[in-house]
Amino acid sequence: DTAVSQTPKYLVTQMGNDKSIKCEQNLGHDTMYWYKQDSKKFLKIMFSYNNKELIINETVPNRFSPKSPDKAHLNLHINSLELGDSAVYFCASSRVGPVAGANVLTFGAGSRLTVL
Amino acid sequence: DAKTTQPNSMESNEEEPVHLPCNHSTISGTDYIHWYRQLPSQGPEYVIHGLTSNVNNRMASLAIAEDRKSSTLILHRATLRDAAVYYCILRENTGTASKLTFGTGTRLQVTL
Repeated sequence: DTAVSQTPKYLVTQMGNDKSIKCEQNLGHDTMYWYKQDSKKFLKIMFSYNNKELIINETVPNRFSPKSPDKAHLNLHINSLELGDSAVYFCASSRVGPVAGANVLTFGAGSRLTVL
Repeated sequence: DAKTTQPNSMESNEEEPVHLPCNHSTISGTDYIHWYRQLPSQGPEYVIHGLTSNVNNRMASLAIAEDRKSSTLILHRATLRDAAVYYCILRENTGTASKLTFGTGTRLQVTL
């Protein structure tokens, strides 16, 4: 069983469209994340949810809207897609343990979004 | 998160040990040192973490300098499957979310 699964793996769409990427984790973790890896391979955090509550919201355009229906799912909806949104989006999850610094992330395989 | 500095790339022969260095001179007393790696076309993968003492697990060893301003990830016998980008990251010991800041990492090439 895949621990953190994302769908779709590949997504090709036109500028201006709206698209969603879904993420599910079966690890029983409390916290989930979205990271973006651009063409230069920099990985940057976008959002984090803990038990369905938004706790990290980096400087991301409000065209990006995360939604967490329950603590096992975190979806990313993107409105009015732009060329610059082309990237690989990674979902991740972590357990909230007694020592915050020791919490580790489990990442999904990524969803490659190409905007034409 | 405090900043880390790593070499852009390193090469190793298969079956030989690899020492991947990381400098983190501005580390605070409670920051944990984490290492992740990213294999081609895959998501980042946790490797190891530590605070002050050296750590071993099935994947690697982590040697932490006494002043904690640097650390070294040790792969005891590199294989072709270890070719990846290795990231050294400092994680603050606060908060429910791990807001990891990934740098450029070290690209490890392993050759026969």
